[in-house]
Amino acid sequence: KAGVTQTPRYLIKTRGQQVTLSCSPISGHRSVSWYQQTPGQGLQFLFEYFSETQRNKGNFPGRFSGRQFSNSRSEMNVSTLELGDSALYLCASGGLNEQFFGPGTRLTVL
Amino acid sequence: AQSVTQLDSQVPVFEEAPVELRCNYSSSVSVYLFWYVQYPNQGLQLLLKYLSGSTLVKGINGFEAEFNKSQTSFHLRKPSVHISDTAEYFCAVNRFTGGGNKLTFGTGTQLKVEL
Repeated sequence: KAGVTQTPRYLIKTRGQQVTLSCSPISGHRSVSWYQQTPGQGLQFLFEYFSETQRNKGNFPGRFSGRQFSNSRSEMNVSTLELGDSALYLCASGGLNEQFFGPGTRLTVL
Repeated sequence: AQSVTQLDSQVPVFEEAPVELRCNYSSSVSVYLFWYVQYPNQGLQLLLKYLSGSTLVKGINGFEAEFNKSQTSFHLRKPSVHISDTAEYFCAVNRFTGGGNKLTFGTGTQLKVEL
């Protein structure tokens, strides 16, 4: 069974641009969650999607958004990038009793 | 709201020595508890989890953890570490929140195994 995949693995953007990250969950998983990891703030929950609906949301500004497609693949979008958005963005799929993580997308904002 | 505290940001230990990584949590409701490991430039890998039942949980790579409800702790242990165990370890809790799930992580403990 294939694991959680994330594309791209690395991304460099400049301030003010927008970016879209993609996540494909494990086959059969309907829940996809997104996390931001930074040295200063650690691992923080962004949002969770289940059956194309946002089911849970963390404490991030509206510049961070996401969506989920009918095949459970998910995308997250960050608009008007700031230097502080530089981070490792992790996607996870699974349920309450176990979350499987992808390798992450390393976003660098210059 | 729930929170997770990992008091030790770094733990140095010699190879073949035992190690304990501490984790305390707070929550007003029951939670599921997890330990994840992260190697450089990689995602998170689940080491073990406590959902219910026996309070001593065994995981991969020889790790185990004990759930202590009265002390709200979930410490991770390994009787003999190897160089390859050098990594960052995260304790996390998951509580069913408003129909969804959301992991709350501790700040992580960097385990450095030395020869």
